[in-house]
Amino acid sequence: DQQVKQNSPSLSVQEGRISILNCDYTNSMFDYFLWYKKYPAEGPTFLISISSIKDKNEDGRFTVFLNKSAKHLSLHIVPSQPGDSAVYFCAAIRAGSARQLTFGSGTQLTVLP
Amino acid sequence: NAGVMQNPRHLVRRRGQEARLRCSPMKGHSHVYWYRQLPEEGLKFMVYLQKENIIDESGMPKERFSAEFPKEGPSILRIQQVVRGDSAAYFCASSPSGTGTMNTEAFFGQGTRLTVV
Repeated sequence: DQQVKQNSPSLSVQEGRISILNCDYTNSMFDYFLWYKKYPAEGPTFLISISSIKDKNEDGRFTVFLNKSAKHLSLHIVPSQPGDSAVYFCAAIRAGSARQLTFGSGTQLTVLP
Repeated sequence: NAGVMQNPRHLVRRRGQEARLRCSPMKGHSHVYWYRQLPEEGLKFMVYLQKENIIDESGMPKERFSAEFPKEGPSILRIQQVVRGDSAAYFCASSPSGTGTMNTEAFFGQGTRLTVV
């Protein structure tokens, strides 16, 4: 049972345009959401997070939106740069848990120059 | 401030051998998480430890796998009698605090890629 889903395994975007990565979840007990970026042969790197009490969090070129009623979150990257090409993982933390991360399967973003 | 250090980066074991994966958390971090990533999949939680204590091992297979985080030294993930299906990337993450902390940001190591031949 996959509780965090990233239905698009890959996404290609032109440099300078907006990248939108999507994530859906099924467990209503999740109260904190994170996005991680991963390059080949490296560990995931934290990018941005959002608490379930908010609907938007912005950090530079990265914005995360949370729609609790739809159990959906998205990561917007504007403007996209070739260095953003990586696998992006959506992750969630369940309230009352040991704060372990439940990951989606990832989306490979390719930003074309 | 060194990041999370994992070694070895690559480990090859024959079926039936033991694999030991090490993780040194970031300085000041006393919480360690182990995750496994199978090919073409996301990371899956295995175990959460604090110094000398296993807090949550609900994601770890009941047999052949064990983990420890001693008072001194790195955290160790041990896989006995490895099988081909154990081939994966194993990532360790550390954080300064765990349960009850909303803004817990886990920092990941570069992972150990285990290949069972």
